[in-house]
Amino acid sequence: SAVISQKPSRDICQRGTSLTIQCQVDSQVTMMFWYRQQPGQSLTLIATANQGSEATYESGFVIDKFPISRPNLTFSTLTVSNLSPEDSSIYLCSVAGLENYEQYFGPGTRLTVT
Amino acid sequence: GQNIDQPTEMTATEGAIVQINCTYQTSGFNGLFWYQQHAGEAPTFLSYNVLDGLEEKGRFSSFLSRSKGYSYLLLKELQMKDSASYLCAVRDWPLEAGNMLTFGGGTRLMVKP
Repeated sequence: SAVISQKPSRDICQRGTSLTIQCQVDSQVTMMFWYRQQPGQSLTLIATANQGSEATYESGFVIDKFPISRPNLTFSTLTVSNLSPEDSSIYLCSVAGLENYEQYFGPGTRLTVT
Repeated sequence: GQNIDQPTEMTATEGAIVQINCTYQTSGFNGLFWYQQHAGEAPTFLSYNVLDGLEEKGRFSSFLSRSKGYSYLLLKELQMKDSASYLCAVRDWPLEAGNMLTFGGGTRLMVKP
């Protein structure tokens, strides 16, 4: 199984600022994904981070608000821009394993916007 | 569109058996996943079904009926540490096509002594 780490684990940010979340995987993976989990809710896919090309965003999420980088096969960043209290969530990085059924999640980044 | 339904909360007794149901309506189907998520932690993979039938893994089993758009997660010999949220997720296209998992709202299971 893949080992995924995220930084920071949590942060408290002021309205209007931005937070960049890092995701590091211990092996090379083709596909990396960013999810959001709002308080008391399930997971929602934000985007798929593709190495060497632009991220693919899901409906309701735009690049200006959630810019993503994927410089290599083990690393990705998600920035949450122009923060508002509604952005307070847990943000999770996920990767697909070699087998079709494998899908792993990082420990998450808990963001609180004041 | 995608629609995945599961009960919001369930309560069961330590040592008992509990079944958590999940129904789905998706544009396509390429596998159903169950995850366990303890409060404040990331989801951990429990099971994967892509063909009809029962997959057993220790105390946990997962069942799938594609014709009915239905799955369940069965937990046997419940332990207090099984208190968690259980997330049903469907993948509607093959991985290489780029689409990923759509999650249900999760079922919060409380195990009581």
